[in-house]
Amino acid sequence: GESVGLHLPTLSVQEGDNSIINCAYSNSASDYFIWYKQESGKGPQFIIDIRSNMDKRQGQRVTVLLNKTVKHLSLQIAATQPGDSAVYFCAENIGANDMRFGAGTRLTVKP
Amino acid sequence: NAGVTQTPKFQVLKTGQSMTLQCAQDMNHEYMSWYRQDPGMGLRLIHYSVGAGITDQGEVPNGYNVSRSTTEDFPLRLLSAAPSQTSVYFCASSSQGMDTGELFFGEGSRLTVL
Repeated sequence: GESVGLHLPTLSVQEGDNSIINCAYSNSASDYFIWYKQESGKGPQFIIDIRSNMDKRQGQRVTVLLNKTVKHLSLQIAATQPGDSAVYFCAENIGANDMRFGAGTRLTVKP
Repeated sequence: NAGVTQTPKFQVLKTGQSMTLQCAQDMNHEYMSWYRQDPGMGLRLIHYSVGAGITDQGEVPNGYNVSRSTTEDFPLRLLSAAPSQTSVYFCASSSQGMDTGELFFGEGSRLTVL
């Protein structure tokens, strides 16, 4: 399934399926982007980052895609597991020492 | 390795009271910051520091003070608590700068102002 980030704050997927979480960013001058995962009652944890000179970056089971033309960022999670259930935030750098965070998308994985 | 440690985890204040949220990191990071997280909103930057002795304001600094006397500690002070300051507060640190590298977050401090 797909989420449109701020416009669809929840995403429910079946265990084993792939998840795609989307994020629209605001600043065309932003050159650094991060995805964070936040489990209930915990602080955000770094998942993956990407700089504007790239359009794709892969980690372990996760891929981030960056489309600068339409200011869009997506996080793909392969073979989603129950432990992936969390809120996912994208963030962009908007100035010196300032990252702007999205409101987040809640991912729920059904067994 | 403890990472970023915040205390207290929970606090209830009455309007007008003052308190300090503590934050300590053991990673020797130069950059530290405080964010607040409100329902339906992203993390918003309150204050940050790029090194001991240096602090600056973020997006929502009003009603908060910070100091950075050591590399390890970055306390956040609420001078006169207001209900609008009810929120979850996160401290973060980074070795590369807050706009160019991974932020390491604490577990959060949930504050309720009555």
